[in-house]
Amino acid sequence: QVQLQESGPGLMKPSETLSLTCTVSGDSISNYYWGWIRQPPGKGLEWIGYIYYTGDATYNPSLFGRVTMSVDTSKNQFSLKVASVTAADTAVYYCVRHLGVRYDNIWGTYRPSWSDPWGLGTLVTVSS
Amino acid sequence: QSVLTQSPSMSAATGQKVTISCSGSSSNIGNNFVSWYQLVPRAAPKLLIYDNDKRASGITDRFSGSKSGTSATLGITGLQTGDEADYFCATWESSLSAVVFGGGTKLTVL
Repeated sequence: QVQLQESGPGLMKPSETLSLTCTVSGDSISNYYWGWIRQPPGKGLEWIGYIYYTGDATYNPSLFGRVTMSVDTSKNQFSLKVASVTAADTAVYYCVRHLGVRYDNIWGTYRPSWSDPWGLGTLVTVSS
Repeated sequence: QSVLTQSPSMSAATGQKVTISCSGSSSNIGNNFVSWYQLVPRAAPKLLIYDNDKRASGITDRFSGSKSGTSATLGITGLQTGDEADYFCATWESSLSAVVFGGGTKLTVL
């Protein structure tokens, strides 16, 4: 049974770079797509992006180029960095495994169809 | 403002049935698969339905999913107090090359 565990700082200051790591247990990180999703307090879910175990990544354009993801297959981990954080980045951050990934011939992208499992989530608060 | 539209809240009595709707467009639901998730406090979010109508492993058949055109529906029968949660639909938005979610529906079981 695959399990995901997020780790990272709980409190940050504006303009810093958020760094989170997701540790995968119960299966190899290889051959899968992995992603990050966040939920600001009292709001809905926002998809941040995904990364393939090879390192190929696709990010949500709404985050305006502030996001970088990486994979460390030797540690069975993948990571998220969000630069220049503001209070609007305060959220519970979830790591997920993306499944049902299909190639979109029209747009030339790989589109995940569902997310399973999810990590428990970690709250990141940005405050001065 | 979410790309997919869900009613913010619903309520029903135990034992009853509810349907939670998710409305989108041709660039998302209309041409991509829909999944549904259950979020409860202090627990990892849970996949309920994938590929429009397939139940995830271990999910009771009280949960069902369907899709028609640019809308999708999650049905829950025989409501239990344990079903009280936030429910989100999700799909791929082709014009953005991004996963998009509905705003979520908070279900209260009376």
